[in-house]
Amino acid sequence: QKEVEQNSGPLSVPEGAIASLNCTYSDRGSQSFFWYRQYSGKSPELIMSIYSNGDKEDGRFTAQLNKASQYVSLLIRDSQPSDSATYLCAVNPSSGYALNFGKGTSLLVTP
Amino acid sequence: GAVVSQHPSRVICKSGTSVKIECRSLDFQATTMFWYRQFPKQSLMLMATSNEGSKATYEQGVEKDKFLINHASLTLSTLTVTSAHPEDSSFYICSALGPGAGANVLTFGAGSRLTVL
Repeated sequence: QKEVEQNSGPLSVPEGAIASLNCTYSDRGSQSFFWYRQYSGKSPELIMSIYSNGDKEDGRFTAQLNKASQYVSLLIRDSQPSDSATYLCAVNPSSGYALNFGKGTSLLVTP
Repeated sequence: GAVVSQHPSRVICKSGTSVKIECRSLDFQATTMFWYRQFPKQSLMLMATSNEGSKATYEQGVEKDKFLINHASLTLSTLTVTSAHPEDSSFYICSALGPGAGANVLTFGAGSRLTVL
């Protein structure tokens, strides 16, 4: 089983701060990387996808990928209480299209 | 964008009965669908890959005779939990991969919460 590792948290940040979420993966052949947000009792929703090394920005979100270090991160700028959720890192393995998910990091943004 | 509809959203059943969950791609054809299961505080675990017109591929440890998957059309996959037991209580989520959903981006259904009494 190809592994995707995340700190479970909870990660607590004050409103307006930057939240930094990290993820490592074991399958060096992985090509596609995703961050999903999951609210309690709901299914995941896609936040960001990243395929090449470097940074990718979309609004308040920035995904960072370093394939050499097998590391992917998500930065959330100007964090809002509505960002409080569990963030799942997902990796498309070198074979197949099904995603392998990490256990998720719980983020709490305090007013 | 691509939409995947999953039904029912919640189901409660008695131990020993069977439950069917439907997953439909509403605005695109999904040649491949994936069924995940999520226990509380745990990650999504892939159960099986459902391919239209062929047998599903099950992950190690998932009983194919207990979790029956049918993908009879390009827009519908069903998961039937047979002879359900309390330990099958979980959040079941389907996702679809298809031409209209983006190159390799999965679109998830809203999930089905199964409670077996």
